[in-house]
Amino acid sequence: EIVLTQSPGTLSLSPGERATLSCRASQRVSSNFLAWYHQKPGQAPRLLIYGTSSRATGIPERFSGSGSGTDFTLTISGLEPEDFAVYYCHHYDSSPMFTFGPGTKLE
Amino acid sequence: QVQLQESGPGLVKPSETLSLTCTVSGASITRDYWSWIRQSPGRGLEWIGQIFYSGVTNYNPSLKSRVTMSADASKNQFSLKLTSLTAADTAVYYCARDCYDTSGRPYFDYWGRGTLVNV
Repeated sequence: EIVLTQSPGTLSLSPGERATLSCRASQRVSSNFLAWYHQKPGQAPRLLIYGTSSRATGIPERFSGSGSGTDFTLTISGLEPEDFAVYYCHHYDSSPMFTFGPGTKLE
Repeated sequence: QVQLQESGPGLVKPSETLSLTCTVSGASITRDYWSWIRQSPGRGLEWIGQIFYSGVTNYNPSLKSRVTMSADASKNQFSLKLTSLTAADTAVYYCARDCYDTSGRPYFDYWGRGTLVNV
């Protein structure tokens, strides 16, 4: 089973700054199968990025994803107040099995 | 607009069986796979399993022995049963739609609001 690790655990930034969030897989994974979500208190997770770098419908261009192999990154350029949330990376394998990372709190 | 709504008891006793239903509107469950996912402070987000309306299911191996999913296309609903509950099953339970784009890339694009289940 693939284990996802996210860093940092908490990221403290201000509106307008750039956020870089990391997701590391315990073994090489296909870039097709890595996604990112964010979650605000009391809400369900919301899809941001799938297939490592494809933005979901309605997601602003300030959100971008990159990476390959075991290391993946979510970048938010120019933080808006509504971006402060917990961010999760997510992996699918063809077993099928879906795995989530532990999350990065962006505050 | 696709909407999902979980329903079921908020409190279940240890050793009993949890039954939850997800009612889908704005989309037919005869398309796509549909998943149950739970979230707790100790375990984070945990995928429980998925179902296709025809009855094809796939479960998380760690829960497989206790999970049964079913679907009712006539009601546009799918359901979860989780047996032999313990305190470790206390969580917010979400239902979600599994999408696979034309390249086979998967994602959960619509989620219910979640329902808190205390054991």
